[in-house]
Amino acid sequence: DTEVTQTPKHLVMGMTNKKSLKCEQHMGHRAMYWYKQKAKKPPELMFVYSYEKLSINESVPSRFSPECPNSSLLNLHLHALQPEDSALYLCASSQGQGNQPQHFGDGTRLSIL
Amino acid sequence: AQTVTQSQPEMSVQEAETVTLSCTYDTSENNYYLFWYKQPPSRQMILVIRQEAYKQQNATENRFSVNFQKAAKSFSLKISDSQLGDTAMYFCAFMKLYNQGGKLIFGQGTELSVKP
Repeated sequence: DTEVTQTPKHLVMGMTNKKSLKCEQHMGHRAMYWYKQKAKKPPELMFVYSYEKLSINESVPSRFSPECPNSSLLNLHLHALQPEDSALYLCASSQGQGNQPQHFGDGTRLSIL
Repeated sequence: AQTVTQSQPEMSVQEAETVTLSCTYDTSENNYYLFWYKQPPSRQMILVIRQEAYKQQNATENRFSVNFQKAAKSFSLKISDSQLGDTAMYFCAFMKLYNQGGKLIFGQGTELSVKP
């Protein structure tokens, strides 16, 4: 069982829809991450939150909007996505120091119609 | 900029045998961390092993061990007594450190198949 929980596991949405991905961890970690992963490719970092503040934004389009309501929760709000945004979205967390390993969730498989 | 290269897109090994996955990286930093993650078809990324660059001793976790050659910037993963459950995509990753955390830079991955 994973200690990082992501919901939903699968999401199909139209290009005009608004939806949100949710990530939750109860390990006391203070850094949380969003990654995008295409099939047979490595994960690509999108955002990093450290102590509930956005610390890294890898030039992600504004149709992706992250939110960190508290130290255990991380959301990714989606609006007006494009078909090329279809991918596996992975959430991860770590203790906060850069040298600590990241623990990943199972991901949300997103399909844009 | 840091880069991570995995030169073997696919590999296969017979059950109970040993296999080595290669990884090289490029960096000008002296203090960094390296990781191997596996991603089975269930899609969860699972940490396999971690190596601190300042440690000369190679990391070991049960059947998994690394050969870390800092001067050559090489970080290979050896899997002993391969099991069917080891079938997965394996990613080598370099941790770039920031003031408030770290950024993982992944290689392209090696798809490992363990055959009965």
